[in-house]
Amino acid sequence: AQSVTQLGSHVSVSEGALVLLRCNYSSSVPPYLFWYVQYPNQGLQLLLKYTTGATLVKGINGFEAEFKKSETSFHLTKPSAHMSDAAEYFCAVSVPLDYQLIWGAGTKLIIKP
Amino acid sequence: EAQVTQNPRYLITVTGKKLTVTCSQNMNHEYMSWYRQDPGLGLRQIYYSMNVEVTDKGDVPEGYKVSRKEKRNFPLILESPSPNQTSLYFCASTGTSDTQYFGPGTRLTVL
Repeated sequence: AQSVTQLGSHVSVSEGALVLLRCNYSSSVPPYLFWYVQYPNQGLQLLLKYTTGATLVKGINGFEAEFKKSETSFHLTKPSAHMSDAAEYFCAVSVPLDYQLIWGAGTKLIIKP
Repeated sequence: EAQVTQNPRYLITVTGKKLTVTCSQNMNHEYMSWYRQDPGLGLRQIYYSMNVEVTDKGDVPEGYKVSRKEKRNFPLILESPSPNQTSLYFCASTGTSDTQYFGPGTRLTVL
Protein backbone atom coordinates (compact mmCIF):
# COMPACT_ATOMS: atom_id res chain seq x y z
CA ALA A 1 0.00 0.00 0.00
CA GLN A 2 1.09 3.53 -0.70
CA SER A 3 1.47 6.25 1.89
CA VAL A 4 2.80 9.78 2.03
CA THR A 5 4.33 11.70 4.91
CA GLN A 6 4.89 15.43 4.81
CA LEU A 7 7.18 16.63 7.55
CA GLY A 8 5.93 19.78 9.20
CA SER A 9 2.36 21.02 9.06
CA HIS A 10 3.73 24.57 8.97
CA VAL A 11 7.01 25.83 7.55
CA SER A 12 8.09 29.44 7.94
CA VAL A 13 10.85 31.03 5.86
CA SER A 14 11.99 34.59 5.24
CA GLU A 15 11.43 36.23 1.90
CA GLY A 16 14.43 35.45 -0.29
CA ALA A 17 15.40 32.34 1.66
CA LEU A 18 15.46 28.77 0.44
CA VAL A 19 12.18 26.90 0.55
CA LEU A 20 12.36 23.19 1.41
CA LEU A 21 9.18 21.17 1.90
CA ARG A 22 9.73 17.53 2.73
CA CYS A 23 7.81 14.57 1.38
CA ASN A 24 8.53 10.89 1.97
CA TYR A 25 6.53 8.10 0.47
CA SER A 26 6.18 4.37 0.58
CA SER A 27 5.18 2.35 -2.44
CA SER A 28 5.42 -1.28 -3.47
CA VAL A 29 5.96 -0.29 -7.11
CA PRO A 30 7.72 2.61 -8.83
CA PRO A 31 5.33 5.45 -8.16
CA TYR A 32 4.13 8.59 -9.81
CA LEU A 33 4.73 11.56 -7.49
CA PHE A 34 3.03 14.94 -7.40
CA TRP A 35 3.15 18.30 -5.69
CA TYR A 36 0.04 20.45 -5.67
CA VAL A 37 -0.38 23.99 -4.35
CA GLN A 38 -3.50 25.53 -2.84
CA TYR A 39 -3.62 29.29 -2.55
CA PRO A 40 -6.09 30.77 -0.06
CA ASN A 41 -9.70 30.29 -1.11
CA GLN A 42 -8.75 28.42 -4.26
CA GLY A 43 -8.67 24.87 -5.55
CA LEU A 44 -5.58 22.70 -5.88
CA GLN A 45 -3.24 23.34 -8.77
CA LEU A 46 -0.58 20.98 -10.09
CA LEU A 47 2.89 22.33 -9.32
CA LEU A 48 4.95 19.49 -10.77
CA LYS A 49 5.00 15.74 -11.18
CA TYR A 50 7.40 12.86 -11.62
CA THR A 51 6.40 9.90 -13.73
CA THR A 52 9.53 8.45 -15.38
CA GLY A 53 12.85 9.67 -16.69
CA ALA A 54 14.78 12.58 -15.25
CA THR A 55 14.61 12.56 -11.48
CA LEU A 56 14.88 16.33 -11.12
CA VAL A 57 11.56 17.82 -12.08
CA LYS A 58 10.92 21.50 -12.66
CA GLY A 59 7.52 23.01 -12.08
CA ILE A 60 5.77 26.32 -12.19
CA ASN A 61 6.78 29.43 -10.25
CA GLY A 62 10.43 28.35 -9.91
CA PHE A 63 9.77 25.21 -7.86
CA GLU A 64 11.50 21.92 -8.42
CA ALA A 65 11.60 18.50 -6.80
CA GLU A 66 13.95 15.56 -6.96
CA PHE A 67 12.87 11.94 -6.88
CA LYS A 68 15.32 9.99 -4.73
CA LYS A 69 14.43 6.34 -4.83
CA SER A 70 17.02 5.30 -2.25
CA GLU A 71 15.61 7.78 0.24
CA THR A 72 11.96 7.36 -0.85
CA SER A 73 11.74 11.12 -0.95
CA PHE A 74 10.35 13.79 -3.24
CA HIS A 75 11.22 17.07 -1.52
CA LEU A 76 10.08 20.37 -2.99
CA THR A 77 12.51 23.28 -3.21
CA LYS A 78 12.71 26.85 -4.42
CA PRO A 79 15.93 28.86 -4.17
CA SER A 80 14.34 32.16 -3.14
CA ALA A 81 10.94 32.53 -1.50
CA HIS A 82 8.49 35.22 -2.57
CA MET A 83 5.57 36.51 -0.57
CA SER A 84 3.29 35.11 -3.28
CA ASP A 85 4.47 31.57 -2.44
CA ALA A 86 2.46 31.61 0.79
CA ALA A 87 0.05 28.71 0.34
CA GLU A 88 -0.58 25.13 1.36
CA TYR A 89 1.40 22.45 -0.45
CA PHE A 90 0.34 18.84 -0.86
CA CYS A 91 2.46 15.88 -1.86
CA ALA A 92 0.73 12.86 -3.43
CA VAL A 93 1.69 9.43 -4.73
CA SER A 94 -0.02 7.01 -7.08
CA VAL A 95 0.49 3.55 -8.44
CA PRO A 96 0.97 4.29 -12.13
CA LEU A 97 -2.28 4.23 -14.05
CA ASP A 98 -4.26 3.32 -10.96
CA TYR A 99 -5.95 6.76 -11.03
CA GLN A 100 -6.02 6.96 -7.23
CA LEU A 101 -3.83 9.53 -5.51
CA ILE A 102 -2.73 9.05 -1.91
CA TRP A 103 -2.34 12.45 -0.29
CA GLY A 104 -0.08 13.85 2.34
CA ALA A 105 -1.60 15.99 5.08
CA GLY A 106 -0.28 19.21 3.59
CA THR A 107 2.27 21.81 4.65
CA LYS A 108 1.41 25.48 5.06
CA LEU A 109 4.22 27.67 3.83
CA ILE A 110 4.49 31.00 5.65
CA ILE A 111 6.69 33.73 4.20
CA LYS A 112 8.09 36.30 6.60
CA PRO A 113 8.87 39.78 5.23
CA GLU B 1 -10.18 26.20 -21.74
CA ALA B 2 -9.81 22.85 -19.98
CA GLN B 3 -11.50 23.07 -16.64
CA VAL B 4 -13.53 21.52 -13.86
CA THR B 5 -16.46 23.58 -12.68
CA GLN B 6 -18.43 23.26 -9.47
CA ASN B 7 -21.61 24.91 -8.30
CA PRO B 8 -22.45 26.45 -6.00
CA ARG B 9 -19.20 27.88 -4.65
CA TYR B 10 -20.76 28.67 -1.28
CA LEU B 11 -23.81 27.13 0.35
CA ILE B 12 -25.40 27.53 3.77
CA THR B 13 -28.19 25.12 4.53
CA VAL B 14 -30.00 23.52 7.43
CA THR B 15 -29.89 19.99 8.78
CA GLY B 16 -31.92 17.54 6.74
CA LYS B 17 -32.49 19.66 3.64
CA LYS B 18 -31.36 17.70 0.59
CA LEU B 19 -28.77 19.36 -1.60
CA THR B 20 -26.74 18.67 -4.71
CA VAL B 21 -23.34 20.03 -5.63
CA THR B 22 -22.72 19.85 -9.35
CA CYS B 23 -19.41 19.08 -11.02
CA SER B 24 -18.62 19.18 -14.70
CA GLN B 25 -15.42 18.69 -16.71
CA ASN B 26 -14.73 19.41 -20.37
CA MET B 27 -11.62 17.25 -20.80
CA ASN B 28 -13.37 13.98 -21.66
CA HIS B 29 -11.83 12.29 -18.63
CA GLU B 30 -13.21 8.97 -17.55
CA TYR B 31 -12.12 9.09 -13.91
CA MET B 32 -13.60 11.63 -11.51
CA SER B 33 -13.53 12.06 -7.73
CA TRP B 34 -15.04 13.98 -4.87
CA TYR B 35 -12.99 15.05 -1.87
CA ARG B 36 -13.64 16.89 1.31
CA GLN B 37 -11.02 19.04 2.97
CA ASP B 38 -11.05 19.73 6.70
CA PRO B 39 -8.45 21.55 8.80
CA GLY B 40 -5.77 19.15 10.00
CA LEU B 41 -7.22 16.22 8.05
CA GLY B 42 -6.05 17.07 4.55
CA LEU B 43 -7.95 15.71 1.56
CA ARG B 44 -10.21 12.72 2.01
CA GLN B 45 -11.84 10.99 -0.91
CA ILE B 46 -15.61 10.59 -0.67
CA TYR B 47 -16.51 8.79 -3.90
CA TYR B 48 -14.94 8.17 -7.26
CA SER B 49 -16.12 7.11 -10.67
CA MET B 50 -14.17 5.12 -13.23
CA ASN B 51 -16.65 5.84 -16.03
CA VAL B 52 -20.32 6.37 -16.81
CA GLU B 53 -22.50 4.35 -14.43
CA VAL B 54 -19.43 3.10 -12.53
CA THR B 55 -18.97 4.58 -9.06
CA ASP B 56 -17.33 3.39 -5.87
CA LYS B 57 -16.81 4.48 -2.29
CA GLY B 58 -13.74 6.34 -1.20
CA ASP B 59 -12.51 6.75 2.35
CA VAL B 60 -15.44 8.73 3.82
CA PRO B 61 -18.63 7.90 1.85
CA GLU B 62 -21.14 7.91 4.72
CA GLY B 63 -23.92 10.44 4.20
CA TYR B 64 -23.13 11.06 0.53
CA LYS B 65 -24.36 9.78 -2.82
CA VAL B 66 -23.09 10.31 -6.34
CA SER B 67 -24.24 9.56 -9.83
CA ARG B 68 -22.49 9.39 -13.20
CA LYS B 69 -25.03 9.42 -15.98
CA GLU B 70 -22.82 11.31 -18.41
CA LYS B 71 -19.06 11.36 -18.71
CA ARG B 72 -18.75 15.10 -18.09
CA ASN B 73 -20.95 15.37 -14.96
CA PHE B 74 -20.45 13.93 -11.49
CA PRO B 75 -22.85 15.45 -8.95
CA LEU B 76 -22.50 14.98 -5.20
CA ILE B 77 -25.74 14.50 -3.32
CA LEU B 78 -26.34 14.99 0.39
CA GLU B 79 -29.81 13.62 1.03
CA SER B 80 -29.99 14.62 4.69
CA PRO B 81 -27.08 16.92 5.53
CA SER B 82 -25.79 17.11 9.08
CA PRO B 83 -23.48 19.65 10.73
CA ASN B 84 -20.52 17.23 10.55
CA GLN B 85 -20.70 17.56 6.77
CA THR B 86 -19.74 21.21 7.02
CA SER B 87 -16.58 21.26 4.95
CA LEU B 88 -14.83 22.38 1.79
CA TYR B 89 -15.59 20.06 -1.11
CA PHE B 90 -13.56 19.53 -4.27
CA CYS B 91 -14.36 17.72 -7.45
CA ALA B 92 -11.47 16.42 -9.55
CA SER B 93 -11.05 14.68 -12.86
CA THR B 94 -8.03 12.57 -13.76
CA GLY B 95 -6.09 12.87 -16.99
CA THR B 96 -2.94 11.25 -18.28
CA SER B 97 -0.32 9.98 -15.84
CA ASP B 98 -2.89 10.06 -13.02
CA THR B 99 -2.78 13.87 -12.96
CA GLN B 100 -5.84 15.26 -11.19
CA TYR B 101 -7.48 18.54 -12.16
CA PHE B 102 -9.50 20.23 -9.46
CA GLY B 103 -12.55 22.41 -9.41
CA PRO B 104 -12.54 25.67 -7.42
CA GLY B 105 -14.26 24.14 -4.40
CA THR B 106 -17.62 24.40 -2.67
CA ARG B 107 -17.73 25.68 0.88
CA LEU B 108 -20.71 24.06 2.61
CA THR B 109 -22.08 25.05 6.00
CA VAL B 110 -24.80 22.92 7.56
CA LEU B 111 -26.59 24.57 10.48
